[in-house]
Amino acid sequence: GQNIDQPTEMTATEGAIVQINCTYQTSGFNGLFWYQQHAGEAPTFLSYNVLDGLEEKGRFSSFLSRSKGYSYLLLKELQMKDSASYLCAVRDSNYQLIWGAGTKLIIKP
Amino acid sequence: EAGVAQSPRYKIIEKRQSVAFWCNPISGHATLYWYQQILGQGPKLLIQFQNNGVVDDSQLPKDRFSAERLKGVDSTLKIQPAKLEDSAVYLCASWGETNTEAFFGQGTRLTVV
Repeated sequence: GQNIDQPTEMTATEGAIVQINCTYQTSGFNGLFWYQQHAGEAPTFLSYNVLDGLEEKGRFSSFLSRSKGYSYLLLKELQMKDSASYLCAVRDSNYQLIWGAGTKLIIKP
Repeated sequence: EAGVAQSPRYKIIEKRQSVAFWCNPISGHATLYWYQQILGQGPKLLIQFQNNGVVDDSQLPKDRFSAERLKGVDSTLKIQPAKLEDSAVYLCASWGETNTEAFFGQGTRLTVV
């Protein structure tokens, strides 16, 4: 079966750095996505990786290793507004999006 | 560009009643998804349309759920009759061929009592 694993919850301190991991087992691979979802709101796109390596976008970076079925989202200089759920999703060989359950990130002052 | 529009934002119904949700995707986006998201979980695909054709409805509970996208633009999702376990947020998303990501609407929060 297809499976996306991410930690359920993480806690970090304002101004610090946090890494959210995602491992996947899917039928084929056509890209990995990270979305941010604040409570009661729709997911918003953060990043897309299709090749191995690190993609940097401001305070957020995303890394992919296709051979390991592994990705992480790195958030730097954490702000209180970064408190949200972070969803990892993989597009499989049929171009279907397979979603993880999300990681709830709690930022403490 | 305008985003994905969904209505209503909130709906409360009694079990065994019917309910319908509406979605208008971003103009020109051929792919439209309906997702069900239960609190604390990731989105679960209910149905995917490509223009007005169904690509994947394998996880749609067809005994009670139906969806259509007659003109390949906006779409409706219906539940009839509703059960308590249908309480969730129903998200609509669309994807254009030139985009690298799906765009989501605000969702409809359904509470079945």
